[in-house]
Amino acid sequence: EAGVAQSPRYKIIEKRQSVAFWCNPISGHATLYWYQQILGQGPKLLIQFQNNGVVDDSQLPKDRFSAERLKGVDSTLKIQPAKLEDSAVYLCASSRGTGEAFFGQGTRLTVV
Amino acid sequence: GQQLNQSPQSMFIQEGEDVSMNCTSSSIFNTWLWYKQDPGEGPVLLIALYKAGELTSNGRLTAQFGITRKDSFLNISASIPSDVGIYFCAGRVSGKLIFGQGTTLQVKP
Repeated sequence: EAGVAQSPRYKIIEKRQSVAFWCNPISGHATLYWYQQILGQGPKLLIQFQNNGVVDDSQLPKDRFSAERLKGVDSTLKIQPAKLEDSAVYLCASSRGTGEAFFGQGTRLTVV
Repeated sequence: GQQLNQSPQSMFIQEGEDVSMNCTSSSIFNTWLWYKQDPGEGPVLLIALYKAGELTSNGRLTAQFGITRKDSFLNISASIPSDVGIYFCAGRVSGKLIFGQGTTLQVKP
């Protein structure tokens, strides 16, 4: 069974530019999560989807971050415009429902 | 909001020693998950716990779901150098999965 796929692995952008990350969850997993992990900290939940509906986005900075999950499968997370403090690893995870969640390798974003 | 307090923050042990770490919260959780993260990689699931009082093993790893549903612990027996990494607890409540701040484990050969 293929795992959670994320791309790109690394991205360097200048502040005020925009960036997008892509995630393909494990086949059949209805729940998809996006986490932000700042160096030295635990993952922080940004947004959680159940199929293509949003379950929780209370910690998503909606003035600059957006996410969508079209057709309840792949998902994209966008930042526009980026700030220096957005430098972090962005992790995507998926689960069948309320069970075990499996993570992709993450995208390391550096904003300069 | 819900918060998970993970301790200790870091540990430096001798190869062969046993390790214990825990996660506590003021909130009740329905599920506890333990993950290990290596540098440059995403967290890898180690153990999942679904019932209060449940004790589950995975090789040299043993984890328990606290009776009060507000805590969990992870034990590693007979540590080896490849146990090095950051261990995270995660708790699920109201469908959301939130993480602790991690325990960094270093093992001296």
